[in-house]
Order: sequence, then structure tokens, then C-alpha cells
Amino acid sequence: NAGVTQTPKFRILKIGQSMTLQCTQDMNHNYMYWYRQDPGMGLKLIYYSVGAGITDKGEVPNGYNVSRSTTEDFPLRLELAAPSQTSVYFCASSRLLTGELFFGEGSRLTVL
Amino acid sequence: QQPVQSPQAVILREGEDAVINCSSSKALYSVHWYRQKHGEAPVFLMILLKGGEQKGHEKISASFNEKKQQSSLYLTASQLSYSGTYFCGTDGGSQGNLIFGKGTKLSVKP
Repeated sequence: NAGVTQTPKFRILKIGQSMTLQCTQDMNHNYMYWYRQDPGMGLKLIYYSVGAGITDKGEVPNGYNVSRSTTEDFPLRLELAAPSQTSVYFCASSRLLTGELFFGEGSRLTVL
Repeated sequence: QQPVQSPQAVILREGEDAVINCSSSKALYSVHWYRQKHGEAPVFLMILLKGGEQKGHEKISASFNEKKQQSSLYLTASQLSYSGTYFCGTDGGSQGNLIFGKGTKLSVKP
């Protein structure tokens, strides 16, 4: 099993550009999450989803959007990229509410 | 609402023990512990649930004091492979949105 797969692994954006980080999982997990990690700051929850069609904001949702049309996919959309969005983004999924999180390998985004 | 971890960093020699603490200002339903090595994704260590037993895995164990809203991670007889940043994540029991602390960087030297 592939687990949680994120693409792309690296991306450089110019200020004002938009892009989508893709996340897919093959474990049939209902719960999916997007975190960002800045150096020395731990993981900050951006958005999460408890099932297809249901999403909710986390700690730092501004500047991002998500959708969950299928159980497998949970893309993260960045609109009008800003330097403050330079970070490493992790997608994760879990089978149970408050269950073990399975993380993807991460996507390193730089906004210049 | 972000849990507070202490210490921020610790350096050990192989075979020494360490304790990492995690505290929250709000009531907790569960506490999660993860380890992250440089350039990699976090990896699950264990979950402690309210009312549950102390968890353990080989030489890494943890406790959860519900009244004090605190959890501690115990690493005994540390190995080089224990090096990394340890994160605790806490959940207030609402919708499962896990909030992580800033992490504790553990370095184990030969």
C-alpha cells in the first residue's frame, strides 16, 4: 500500500500565483488533515475533513481552501501565494477520530 | 490552545534517560506522541486516552495525568536512533482536530 501520497514534493511560486497541493490516501480513512510546518514552530493545522463533502477550519486557514469530493483525495488550494506561505506542508489521514495519524512525505513550498 | 512542551531541547549520551513533558491549559481527551527525524514526516509513537492505561513500547513509555492536563514521555537507555524532534498533540474531544506543541529536539550522542 502506498499510504498517503503528496504531490509535488517541491515547488517554487512567485508572489500572487496560485497552486494546488495534491493529497491522496489508499487506506479508506475518513479523516484527513493538512498541516504546515515552519522551522522550530511545530505543526499547525490548516484544514481537516471528517469525510467526503465535509471540511472544517483548523488553526491557520487564511489563504487556503480545501475540498473533499472523494474519500481518497483532499487537495489544498493556495490562492494568491504570499512569502508567509513558504513552509513544508504535510497531509495526513487517520482511520479513527483522534486515531493514529499517517503522514505523507511532505511538500516543500517556497514563495518568492 | 497549543500545548506547551518542555524542555525545548535535550542532549543525551547513549544509555541515558530523558523525560519530555507536555501540558495544556484545557481539558484533554487524548494525547498523541510523534517523532520526526530531520527532513522526514512525523512518525506515530503512541496515543494516551482519558481514563486509559499508561502506554509503552520497548524503552519508550508515556503517562497521562488528566487532572493536571499533562503528559510525559519517558525514554530509557536512549539509543542513537532516538534522536529527532518529539511532538505531543492534544485533542479536546471535539472533532478530532489535533493541535501539536512546538516540539522537543532530542540529540543522542555516542
